[in-house]
Amino acid sequence: DIQMTQSPSSVSASVGDRVTITCRASQGISSSLAWYQQKPGKAPKLLIYAASNLQSGVPSRFSGSGSGTDFTLTISSLQPEDFATYYCEQSKRFPLTFGGGTKVEIK
Amino acid sequence: EVQLLESGGVLVQPGGSLRLSCAASGFTFSSYAINWVRQAPGKGLEWVSNINSGGGTDYADSVKGRFTVSRDNSKNTLYLQMNSLRAEDTAVYYCAKSLTSGWYGSCDYWGQGTLVTVSS
Repeated sequence: DIQMTQSPSSVSASVGDRVTITCRASQGISSSLAWYQQKPGKAPKLLIYAASNLQSGVPSRFSGSGSGTDFTLTISSLQPEDFATYYCEQSKRFPLTFGGGTKVEIK
Repeated sequence: EVQLLESGGVLVQPGGSLRLSCAASGFTFSSYAINWVRQAPGKGLEWVSNINSGGGTDYADSVKGRFTVSRDNSKNTLYLQMNSLRAEDTAVYYCAKSLTSGWYGSCDYWGQGTLVTVSS
């Protein structure tokens, strides 16, 4: 199985801050990586697919980069509605696997 | 408007069985792979199973041999038959549609989830 390691597990930040979350795959997955945002009690929301493609309707302050084993999600200027938990997901091969999550908290 | 609506989650005893349903609308259901993803209370996301547009299936090792995913394209409905349930199967179960026909992950639409509790 492909293991997905996210870091950090949590981050405290202020509105306007730049936030970077990383995800490392245990083996190469090309660009088969997605990022999701989840708020408490809600289903996950797709932010980024194929490592760097912004899903329709997602604000441009979100961006993704990377390929192979190392990936990054960046929020360029954190907004109040961005406080949530973020997950990466690899879909290179089954079983699909998620990272452990990164909780973005208010500083 | 794309919608996915799960149902069937209840309290069930260990060793019991349950069938979840996911009713889809707003897209060509038969053309897309659909995933079941679960989330135990206070935990992260865990992929459970996938069924592709051709009916091919894949499962997480933790549920293989106990869970069966199926789809009825005439009813635009996905099912998850869950047998030999264990306490560790307790979770909110989501169905989620793949972004593009031919893809398996990168789910762009999710249901609201249905809670399965396995306890005596």
